[in-house]
Amino acid sequence: QSVLTQPPSVSGAPGQRVTISCTGSSSNIGAGYDVHWYQQLPGTAPTLLIYGNNNRPSGVPDRFSGSKSGTSASLAITGLQAEDEADYYCQSYDRSLSGYVFGTGTKVTVL
Amino acid sequence: QMTLKESGPTLVKPTQTLTLTCTFSGFSLSTSGVGVGWIRQPPGKALEWLALIYWDGDKRYSPSLKNRLTITKDTSKNQVVLTMTNLDPVDTATYYCAHRPDASGFHYWGQGTLVTVSS
Repeated sequence: QSVLTQPPSVSGAPGQRVTISCTGSSSNIGAGYDVHWYQQLPGTAPTLLIYGNNNRPSGVPDRFSGSKSGTSASLAITGLQAEDEADYYCQSYDRSLSGYVFGTGTKVTVL
Repeated sequence: QMTLKESGPTLVKPTQTLTLTCTFSGFSLSTSGVGVGWIRQPPGKALEWLALIYWDGDKRYSPSLKNRLTITKDTSKNQVVLTMTNLDPVDTATYYCAHRPDASGFHYWGQGTLVTVSS
């Protein structure tokens, strides 16, 4: 029962740019809460990819970028590489639920 | 270096109570703004936030599981414990604990522990 909706899958050829949307509501993203993004490689724990809407932790390539507008957020991957094939999740806070919420997840496939 | 590690049973019978322990290092849960949360992921499914405890003892629970969850901390032992009652096979999942340094998301995650609920 995720309250943040993502497309189930996106794909692209190496070198291309792909974007993943994260659609929320006025009680989470639209209320001004930050959006964070996680990458989960197959068989591993999630890792923080983007925090505070558009900030990269140390070590994350600048090919990854985030943005937020209204009740939605997006993650962009430019110069897609084979090692980017993974599941990606957005996350925020919801004031109606008084708790944290994750997106439905998006599988990125490199063609 | 911040590390977290989950521990607990790998197999639990339906209706039983699950107790998971998150043992961490590299940070203190008495530092202002810090929190430790629990997140689970059923096989092949999405992440689901369960609970979080803050440095000041404040607690937050997922509304859908609130009646079944209890989160506690032992600052001296660098541990956070999650208890879930009345387990059901749908609770089969990998359970992660994660470090929240402030309002900037979950920065560090444990490796996760797979819990199977089956008779």
